[in-house]
Amino acid sequence: GAGVSQSPSNKVTEKGKDVELRCDPISGHTALYWYRQSLGQGLEFLIYFQGNSAPDKSGLPSDRFSAERTGGSVSTLTIQRTQQEDSAVYLCASSRGYNYGYTFGSGTRLTVV
Amino acid sequence: KNQVEQSPQSLIILEGKNCTLQCNYTVSPFSNLRWYKQDTGRGPVSLTIMTFSENTKSNGRYTATLDADTKQSSLHITASQLSDSASYICVVSEKNDYKLSFGAGTTVTVRA
Repeated sequence: GAGVSQSPSNKVTEKGKDVELRCDPISGHTALYWYRQSLGQGLEFLIYFQGNSAPDKSGLPSDRFSAERTGGSVSTLTIQRTQQEDSAVYLCASSRGYNYGYTFGSGTRLTVV
Repeated sequence: KNQVEQSPQSLIILEGKNCTLQCNYTVSPFSNLRWYKQDTGRGPVSLTIMTFSENTKSNGRYTATLDADTKQSSLHITASQLSDSASYICVVSEKNDYKLSFGAGTTVTVRA
């Protein structure tokens, strides 16, 4: 597609439920990032995928968070047993490589009630 | 510890006026610095990118400066418009590292 597509745009879930967030990057972009943006905070790195290399998961805040990227394209971020502190905007970005420009999606606003 | 600090946290200006946003960073070794504009409910959109050897870069009414010696950057908005109301984020890359360091952003509100 022309841009990075994220779905859903908004998600309200009950505490303890699992959620899946989807990112569809720009075709041909080998690098894909997930970030979390909390109110008044800078973007927080979660995970990085580059081609077929093992992803860098060092930013995932707990083992309730996981992500995969199938076929080097679409990525899914899964949060299990959601907690209220998980409420944030989750942004996905893709790039041809880390020395190139990044294109961000519009994000998924997650609210855990 | 956040390696990118932005100021002010927020500002309000009248339409047609100019304003300057500041970004100080400690990221080292430095690769490049980017300014992004983020409208409410949208993802960040790139405005400028500067490498070590560049000290100014313009994109329409937006002009970014970089002083790599003092590790400071500024974003100047000229003749502000209502559509400039957004959050402006400073992002710094470390050399040979794909991780980016983000500032918390400056929220600009332009009023008629």
